[in-house]
Formats: sequence, structure tokens, C-alpha cells
Amino acid sequence: DAKTTQPNSMESNEEEPVHLPCNHSTISGTDYIHWYRQLPSQGPEYVIHGLTSNVNNRMASLAIAEDRKSSTLILHRATLRDAAVYYCILSGGGSNYKLTFGKGTLLTVNP
Amino acid sequence: DAGVIQSPRHEVTEMGQEVTLRCKPISGHNSLFWYRQTMMRGLELLIYFNNNVPIDDSGMPEDRFSAKMPNASFSTLKIQPSEPRDSAVYFCASAPDGGRPYEQYFGPGTRLTVT
Repeated sequence: DAKTTQPNSMESNEEEPVHLPCNHSTISGTDYIHWYRQLPSQGPEYVIHGLTSNVNNRMASLAIAEDRKSSTLILHRATLRDAAVYYCILSGGGSNYKLTFGKGTLLTVNP
Repeated sequence: DAGVIQSPRHEVTEMGQEVTLRCKPISGHNSLFWYRQTMMRGLELLIYFNNNVPIDDSGMPEDRFSAKMPNASFSTLKIQPSEPRDSAVYFCASAPDGGRPYEQYFGPGTRLTVT
């Protein structure tokens, strides 16, 4: 399985943009890039996914490098409610249901 | 819309007892997943159902664990007999039809403590 590498933790200030990086240098051509987040004492929450092109939704934006070996989740204006563990996950092929959650990035948002 | 519903939210039981966790997926979703989360091992996929049929149970730890999905709106995860190392938070998730099983919606989880 292709693996992802994320920083263990990041800090941000409220109302500022946050860029959460993810490296996936062994990504295959059919792998999708998914981002989930887990707020304290809750189940993981789907954020966004993409294949090749940048993606936007109401929660965040996903910027995918041209070679697809890295991606960045962008929260445009962090709020205290965005404090969570953010997971970058690859899945694809016949096992695109299989989400392997690593340790993720713990995002702290300062007021 | 109601999300994924899990019950009970908390369960404390003694070693050797049978434990049954329950899940009601989001209406209209045809994929259902059971996960387990511990500090040591993180979040692990236990089993995946599609259209009520188990597709991948390779994550089920051992024969003490069993999962069923008798219909599209209900699933159970049973542990018999339970052991202290089964203590964890168990999540159920469902995903919509349309070839997007990776877009999973998680329930609030059941925190299981086996003493």
C-alpha cells in the first residue's frame, strides 16, 4: 500500500489560513487522495478527496502537486472548531474502500 | 438527516462476557464498515459490507469477533468471549452508492471497556 507522511502537529491562529501538507511519493496512478479529520471524542469526518486536479468544497480546498507526490489541505480561515487530527489517506484500484488511517496531523488553533 | 447511529455509546463488561455493538447506517447507503480505534494501533478497518454482504473481513482479529448485516438498515458486531485487550472505541461507518465507498460517514462510536 502506498504510504503518506504528515507532520505530527501544527499550530494556527484563529481566522488565519492553514496549509496541511502530505507527502505520498509512492502514489500510483489510480490512487485517490482523501482527507479526513477527527475532532476530539468524535468519529472521523470526511473532508475532501481528489485524483489529479485541485478540488474545492465548503469545508476546504485540496491542492495536488503536478507529479501527485504531495498534496496540501487548505483551510481558508481556521476556527476553533477546526482543531482536530487531520488524516491524509490514499486508496485506489479494487480496494478504494480501504482507508488506512495513519497517525495524522494534530492541528491546534489558537484564539 | 440522521447520521450513522450506534448503540450503546458506552459499554463496560467483564472478561468472558458477550458484547454486541449495534449500528444503523445512513438510509440509502449501501456500504457499511466497522472500525476499531486504540491508542496503540490507531484506527483499523475490521470488516466491510456491500449490499449487506461481507466483502472484506481480513481485519477481524480472530474468531471471537463476528459481524452481521441482516438488512440494509442494521448491523451488529459481536465479541464472544470478550477480553481486556478488546477495550477500544468501535466505529461504524456507511458510504453512499455510486462508486464512492471511500466517502465514509462515521458514527459517534461505542467505547468498550472490558475489565
